[in-house]
Amino acid sequence: NAGVTQTPKFQVLKTGQSMTLQCAQDMNHNSMYWYRQDPGMGLRLIYYSASEGTTDKGEVPNGYNVSRLNKREFSLRLESAAPSQTSVYFCASRQVLYSNQPQHFGDGTRLSIL
Amino acid sequence: KQEVTQIPAALSVPEGENLVLNCSFTDSAIYNLQWFRQDPGKGLTSLLLIQSSQREQTSGRLNASLDKSSGRSTLYIAASQPGDSATYLCASYTGGGNKLTFGTGTQLKVEL
Repeated sequence: NAGVTQTPKFQVLKTGQSMTLQCAQDMNHNSMYWYRQDPGMGLRLIYYSASEGTTDKGEVPNGYNVSRLNKREFSLRLESAAPSQTSVYFCASRQVLYSNQPQHFGDGTRLSIL
Repeated sequence: KQEVTQIPAALSVPEGENLVLNCSFTDSAIYNLQWFRQDPGKGLTSLLLIQSSQREQTSGRLNASLDKSSGRSTLYIAASQPGDSATYLCASYTGGGNKLTFGTGTQLKVEL
C-alpha cells in the first residue's frame, strides 16, 4: 500500500547542477502536484497536473520544469540549481479534479544546494 | 489571492486537555478546507476534509468546523495525548477547486 512515492529522499547539489525529482502514485489519481516547504513560508505550489497530458504553473514555478510522464508519474526538474531552491519538496496526488477527495502526500525530498 | 493564517504558531498543553487550533482565510469563496498533520521529517497526513456545504466533520477525537462567512475554521482535539504532538496545517481549496493554499501551521506539544 505505497500511496505516493518520492525519490530520492535526500540530495545535495552544487549550484548550477541539474536534477530530476521523481514521484509516482499507485492510487489511480488523476491530479498530481509539486510543492516546496520552507521555514516560515508554509507549503507553496510549484506546478500541478490536473490530468495526464496537462500541466499548469502554481505559485512559485520559476526555475522548475515538470513532466507528467503517464498517469502514475510526475517529475520535477531543476535545470540549473540555485541556493534559493534549497527546500523540502513534496509531491501529492488527488482522485479527481473538483471532487471532495483529499490530497495524499509523499514523504518528501530534502534538497540542499551549496 | 487567498491567504491562510494559523494562530498560534506553537502551543504546549498538558496531557488530557481539550484544545482548539485556529485557521483563518481571506477569500470566503473556498471549495473545501482540509486539515493535515505533519510529524518531524515526514510528509503530510490528511486528518479531515470539510466540504464547502458542510459546517463540520468528525473523526475520533478530532472535530473540525468551517464558517465561510467569517473566514474561519477550527480543529478541536479532545483529551489530548503525547502522540498528538505534531504540526497541524490547514489548507483551503480555491482556484476552481484544484489548488491548495496552506497556512504555516501550529506546532503542538502535548506534555506528560
